[in-house]
Amino acid sequence: DQQVKQNSPSLSVQEGRISILNCDYTNSMFDYFLWYKKYPAEGPTFLISISSIKDKNEDGRFTVFLNKSAKHLSLHIVPSQPGDSAVYFCAAKGFGNEKLTFGTGTRLTIIP
Amino acid sequence: EPEVTQTPSHQVTQMGQEVILRCVPISNHLYFYWYRQILGQKVEFLVSFYNNEISEKSEIFDDQFSVERPDGSNFTLKIRSTKLEDSAMYFCASSAVNEQFFGPGTRLTVL
Repeated sequence: DQQVKQNSPSLSVQEGRISILNCDYTNSMFDYFLWYKKYPAEGPTFLISISSIKDKNEDGRFTVFLNKSAKHLSLHIVPSQPGDSAVYFCAAKGFGNEKLTFGTGTRLTIIP
Repeated sequence: EPEVTQTPSHQVTQMGQEVILRCVPISNHLYFYWYRQILGQKVEFLVSFYNNEISEKSEIFDDQFSVERPDGSNFTLKIRSTKLEDSAMYFCASSAVNEQFFGPGTRLTVL
């Protein structure tokens, strides 16, 4: 079941620069997308979400972009800070469904 | 800030034993969920619960699993006869609408 894919297992970014994390999906029934951040031995922490009726949502340093035709979303973090080092998961849900389908995650390392 | 809590943080059990994992969802949320993450794998949906009944479940959630909301605050996951492959992190989540908020997880180790 590879309905949500994060093709980059890891990413390293200099502190202060922009981090861009990518996510692709295959299920056209998905209509709501979320990004979570996870530290080891902790639960996923909700960061930001976007509905399929939008193509951008911004919250402070975090912006999520959605390209429905390409079935692609990305999370931009700017400026990146050392505390942003974590594993980032994208997740998707379909209309009328409650379950989240998660990607495999991208480990982001911010280099001071 | 309200948060989802889970107990215990770590549970060790023998194969074939029953375990109950406990969660206290965020108080004004109406939807409750269990997910699990086997080491090195994705976070996987197990079950969702709304209005005192299961609203959706995955193929993983077989007859060995059950969920219950025994009172107004707790939400539990019971595994009747644990198997080695049940070893994983189990996460409880709750939501009001679309955004699901997760607890810190219970690490279940089956020996």
